[in-house]
Amino acid sequence: KAGVTQTPRYLIKTRGQQVTLSCSPISGHRSVSWYQQTPGQGLQFLFEYFSETQRNKGNFPGRFSGRQFSNSRSEMNVSTLELGDSALYLCASTRGLAGSYEQYFGPGTRLTVT
Amino acid sequence: ILNVEQSPQSLHVQEGDSTNFTCSFPSSNFYALHWYRWETAKSPEALFVMTLNGDEKKKGRISATLNTKEGYSYLYIKGSQPEDSATYLCAFLNYMKTSYDKVIFGPGTSLSVIP
Repeated sequence: KAGVTQTPRYLIKTRGQQVTLSCSPISGHRSVSWYQQTPGQGLQFLFEYFSETQRNKGNFPGRFSGRQFSNSRSEMNVSTLELGDSALYLCASTRGLAGSYEQYFGPGTRLTVT
Repeated sequence: ILNVEQSPQSLHVQEGDSTNFTCSFPSSNFYALHWYRWETAKSPEALFVMTLNGDEKKKGRISATLNTKEGYSYLYIKGSQPEDSATYLCAFLNYMKTSYDKVIFGPGTSLSVIP
């Protein structure tokens, strides 16, 4: 069974630009969650999508958004990039809601904002 | 503000030693607690999903207990091996309405097992 894949793996953007990250979950998994990892803040929850609906969101500004498609693939978008958005972005998929099942993480996208 | 703490921050043990660390979380509105292992240059790997007070889970040499009334969980590693070297993270999910709201990770415990 293929694991969770994320593209791109590395990205360099300039402040003010926008970026879209992609996550393909394990086949049959319906929930995709997104996390941001920075050295200072640790791993922080961004949002979870389940059956194409955002079911909850962490404490991030509106510049961070996402969506999920009918095949459960998910994208995350960050608009008007700031230097502080430089981070590792991880997605994780679960066969049901993320709270009740083991999450399987992708390799992450390393975003650098200059 | 929901706060999840882990102790110790880091730990160095000899191969063969048994060790344990703690995750502390709010004792109210509990939905679930997750444990993860995160090795360098890899993705976090789920160890346990714990939902009931008194839960005890085991996977090989690693086990975990849960006390939701007092707000803590212990992770135990028996006979540590160098391949156990990783950061161990716990994540607390708070109950809201009929499900959970947010996933709050602790800062992690970094374990180094010296051969």
